[in-house]
Amino acid sequence: KQEVTQIPAALSVPEGENLVLNCSFTDSAIYNLQWFRQDPGKGLTSLLLIQSSQREQTSGRLNASLDKSSGRSTLYIAASQPGDSATYLCAVRGRGSNYKLTFGKGTLLTVNP
Amino acid sequence: DARVTQTPRHKVTEMGQEVTMRCQPILGHNTVFWYRQTMMQGLELLAYFRNRAPLDDSGMPKDRFSAEMPDATLATLKIQPSEPRDSAVYFCASGLGLPGLAGGLNKSGANVLTFGAGSRLTVL
Repeated sequence: KQEVTQIPAALSVPEGENLVLNCSFTDSAIYNLQWFRQDPGKGLTSLLLIQSSQREQTSGRLNASLDKSSGRSTLYIAASQPGDSATYLCAVRGRGSNYKLTFGKGTLLTVNP
Repeated sequence: DARVTQTPRHKVTEMGQEVTMRCQPILGHNTVFWYRQTMMQGLELLAYFRNRAPLDDSGMPKDRFSAEMPDATLATLKIQPSEPRDSAVYFCASGLGLPGLAGGLNKSGANVLTFGAGSRLTVL
């Protein structure tokens, strides 16, 4: 059974700092990995998706990397801003008949002005 | 701006009552997921539909939960009878062209799920 772990559970940084969020998964036989953002009381917004054959994806100040063999992904946020404050969730889609998304519990990020 | 629409946004009910949550997936999407989010468990998959057929509902308590797609524009999640432990936010998500059992559609760009804003359920 796939398990996804995100560390740290919460992170508080001053504005402008570069930061890294970590995600690890136990079964490396994945189809892809997706990073989401969730604002309080809201749904999930997809940020980046990395296919299993890819090593990284970039969108603006965000860069996500994938090391499938070690079961790890990182989300790098450059020059953080207060508007980046949210919960960031990592989800992996496994190979197999159902292609389920298994989520981590998220990292709550607070960027202080 | 295509979006997944969920109703109701908030529901407070008493234990034992029936609760029905509805989801309108993005037009043209052929996969629908129901997730439940709680502080303790995080996001848990309840049900997965592809082309309106239920492919996986193993995460759903069968004795009280049921999920259906009466047509391509509507997915429902029903709880009967509801219990306080069902209190959570229920999310619906839809996607397009995920590879499945009977061969797949075009893989490129076809894997991003779009989530609705969720239905917050409180069972007293």
